[in-house]
Amino acid sequence: ETGVTQSPTHLIKTRGQQVTLRCSSQSGHNTVSWYQQALGQGPQFIFQYYREEENGRGNFPPRFSGLQFPNYSSELNVNALELDDSALYLCASSFQGEDTQYFGPGTRLTVL
Amino acid sequence: AQSVTQLGSHVSVSEGALVLLRCNYSSSVPPYLFWYVQYPNQGLQLLLKYTSAATLVKGINGFEAEFKKSETSFHLTKPSAHMSDAAEYFCAVSERGGSQGNLIFGKGTKLSVKP
Repeated sequence: ETGVTQSPTHLIKTRGQQVTLRCSSQSGHNTVSWYQQALGQGPQFIFQYYREEENGRGNFPPRFSGLQFPNYSSELNVNALELDDSALYLCASSFQGEDTQYFGPGTRLTVL
Repeated sequence: AQSVTQLGSHVSVSEGALVLLRCNYSSSVPPYLFWYVQYPNQGLQLLLKYTSAATLVKGINGFEAEFKKSETSFHLTKPSAHMSDAAEYFCAVSERGGSQGNLIFGKGTKLSVKP
């Protein structure tokens, strides 16, 4: 059984650019959640996808968008990057109806 | 709305000493509560969870936590600290219960273990 994987590990972008982060769910999981963890803070919920549909969203602007694919992998897209978007982005997968989310190692995004 | 407060952003203990990391929650529904650990430059690993069964929950690596509804607390303890326990610890509450909703995290407590 493979765990949650994320790519890339690190990424550097400049303000105004767009970025796509990728996540592969743990085998058998059909729900993916994305979190943003700023330096020195706890993770904050961005959104969740279940069966390719958005299933809840946190307090993030529309320039944060996502996709879930039929194989349950997922993408997080951020448009018009701002300096404050610099953070560790964590993906978590789970099986709908079960109570535990399993986290990937994260993607560290730096916006200059 | 649900929220989590972790008292103490940094806790330092000696190797072999008791570890106590504090977490208080606020929830309008029966809470699902979690403790996660994060080692440097890594993601989050689940230590233990409370999902309305036994109030004393045992987790991995010798950690345990006790759910106290009257105190709205879910403190994490370990009888004897090891050097390998040095990491950041996050308490979280589930908004709607488990994977059906998002997790709301505290700001974390960084644990240092002195030799």
